[in-house]
Amino acid sequence: LAKTTQPISMDSYEGQEVNITCSHNNIATNDYITWYQQFPSQGPRFIIQGYKTKVTNEVASLFIPADRKSSTLSLPRVSLSDTAVYYCLVGDVYQGGKLIFGQGTELSVKP
Amino acid sequence: ETGVTQTPRHLVMGMTNKKSLKCEQHLGHNAMYWYKQSAKKPLELMFVYSLEERVENNSVPSRFSPECPNSSHLFLHLHTLQPEDSALYLCASSQVYRTGHNEQFFGPGTRLTVL
Repeated sequence: LAKTTQPISMDSYEGQEVNITCSHNNIATNDYITWYQQFPSQGPRFIIQGYKTKVTNEVASLFIPADRKSSTLSLPRVSLSDTAVYYCLVGDVYQGGKLIFGQGTELSVKP
Repeated sequence: ETGVTQTPRHLVMGMTNKKSLKCEQHLGHNAMYWYKQSAKKPLELMFVYSLEERVENNSVPSRFSPECPNSSHLFLHLHTLQPEDSALYLCASSQVYRTGHNEQFFGPGTRLTVL
């Protein structure tokens, strides 16, 4: 399974756009990119998933360049409630159950 | 109730105790998972059940014993644990196990402290 690298922490202010980049240099053809969010003492929550180009939902956007060796989660106009740990995961489409979580990025949104 | 529920939310036990963690999913999913999250560490996948059959066991010590009596319920039986087993234990479910777009729904977790 492809290993991911993402910043350990990021700071932002309310109303700003936040972009968290994840590196996955050895991503395989069958791999999808998925992002989860986790608040303290809670289970992770699915945010968004993509394979290539751009995916957008009501919560975030996911940008994936053509070589797929990295991806960027974009959170528009963050609020204090977006303070959480964000995990980037890369997993084989045929082994969807094998989620390998890394350290994640601890996002702190300040007023 | 909706989603994935876990009981108890908090548990303190001694090293000689036997206890069980319970997970229930109300989503009609066929796959269920146990994860361990220690302080400042990534989530570690422990066990996976698909259609009530254990399909993954990630080298978990035998003092952790999972049970899946049906597709809606998952248990983690604990006995003779060690203090280093103190962690947040998370249960998750997904519609199926081996497929893409496999969103997992997590419960709130059980905070376990072993004295």
